[in-house]
Amino acid sequence: AQKITQTQPGMFVQEKEAVTLDCTYDTSDPSYGLFWYKQPSSGEMIFLIYQGSYDQQNATEGRYSLNFQKARKSANLVISASQLGDSAMYFCAMREGPGYGGSQGNLIFGKGTKLSVKP
Amino acid sequence: DGGITQSPKYLFRKEGQNVTLSCEQNLNHDAMYWYRQDPGQGLRLIYYSQIVNDFQKGDIAEGYSVSREKKESFPLTVTSAQKNPTAFYLCASRPGTGLSYEQYFGPGTRLTVT
Repeated sequence: AQKITQTQPGMFVQEKEAVTLDCTYDTSDPSYGLFWYKQPSSGEMIFLIYQGSYDQQNATEGRYSLNFQKARKSANLVISASQLGDSAMYFCAMREGPGYGGSQGNLIFGKGTKLSVKP
Repeated sequence: DGGITQSPKYLFRKEGQNVTLSCEQNLNHDAMYWYRQDPGQGLRLIYYSQIVNDFQKGDIAEGYSVSREKKESFPLTVTSAQKNPTAFYLCASRPGTGLSYEQYFGPGTRLTVT
């Protein structure tokens, strides 16, 4: 079974509007971390935002926020006021804690969502 | 400027040849990682190293080899045993062992084998 599922292969959003990219995860570890990365067409992976499983509040970083619903095992990325430069692939990733394979710091990635921002 | 460098950006090889992809970091990170990305896919872990002179296989290590003789360097060799070597290869490093530490990525090397 996939540990990270991103169900939207591609999404379109109008410039200046908000968009939500979905991510669901599967783990039995009570201690885990969730990450979102952006990959422009150039290929480099850019870290956007982190949410820990014990964090009480949803993470925010500038125009990025994470809608974390622990009971539903979802960690959706919300991008507010979309810009043309937001057009890219977006990947959700998870790190599990020690004892669940996470002691080595490895990330498990979803297959990504391609976001296209329309002018 | 601290960061991770991967060279070259594009690499072309003939089938049957081994090829080594370079990854260098000046971030003083202990942990380093190699990922493979195929079109429309996420990243899959090939090898990782937590410390100099030590490394472990990831999910798709067959046909690949690595070395970690220096903290700054983690080269990946794609051998002729790798059945489908054409892919985008990303190197990453990590500053600490806590859950919250993100991985820092290099710009990647796109390998084409014909």
